[in-house]
Amino acid sequence: QSALTQPASVSGSPGQSITISCTGSSSDVGAYDYVSWYQQHPGKAPKVMIYDVSDRPSGVSNRFSGSKSGNTASLTISGLLAEDEADYYCSSYTSSHTLVFGGGTKLTVL
Amino acid sequence: EVQLVESGGALVQPGGSLRLSCAASGFTFDRQAMTWVRQAPGKGLEWVSVISVSGGVTYYADSVKGRFTISRDNSKNTVYLQMNSLRADDTAVYYCAKAPGGVVVTSCDDWGQGTLVTVYS
Repeated sequence: QSALTQPASVSGSPGQSITISCTGSSSDVGAYDYVSWYQQHPGKAPKVMIYDVSDRPSGVSNRFSGSKSGNTASLTISGLLAEDEADYYCSSYTSSHTLVFGGGTKLTVL
Repeated sequence: EVQLVESGGALVQPGGSLRLSCAASGFTFDRQAMTWVRQAPGKGLEWVSVISVSGGVTYYADSVKGRFTISRDNSKNTVYLQMNSLRADDTAVYYCAKAPGGVVVTSCDDWGQGTLVTVYS
């Protein structure tokens, strides 16, 4: 199972919006509405920010939103804050009943 | 509050074995599938394995199939990962995570703090 494709890095200034893409295939992202996004700060465990493409867990800011079109999912963070600087990973359920992650995107808040 | 506490990480030589444990609390353990995810130093997340609520259904990443075995003891609220024939590329922090459903893993809802496995020669 190949990893999902994410950009290695993105950046934005405080207050701006950024979008991170996650491209898979018709066997994972395109086949199921089971895309999740995770935030990971250095030395910490990942934290789910979005699940089932666009649902937010309780306690996650509504500045985080998710969407999907075909084989590509996207995470948008609006009103960037310094604390949003972290690594972000997408994941998708697959037709093999496994989970596949993206390679990760480093978000820098300028 | 959901708590997942991993243990068992250690230094081990290539070809060796190790068993990781993950003690769960704060939720009804026997209603949730459980999964393991690993992260090599400086690298991204890699899914490893999942086990259903009953333990009767398991799935593995190709990279560990035939070498790793996931199991659970619902009476102890604990999930395990038995790792055999360890290789240098198994070196990673291993995270235990809770899945939202009972059979497969569609997402990782909650994560432990991780335990480090280092395979060295």
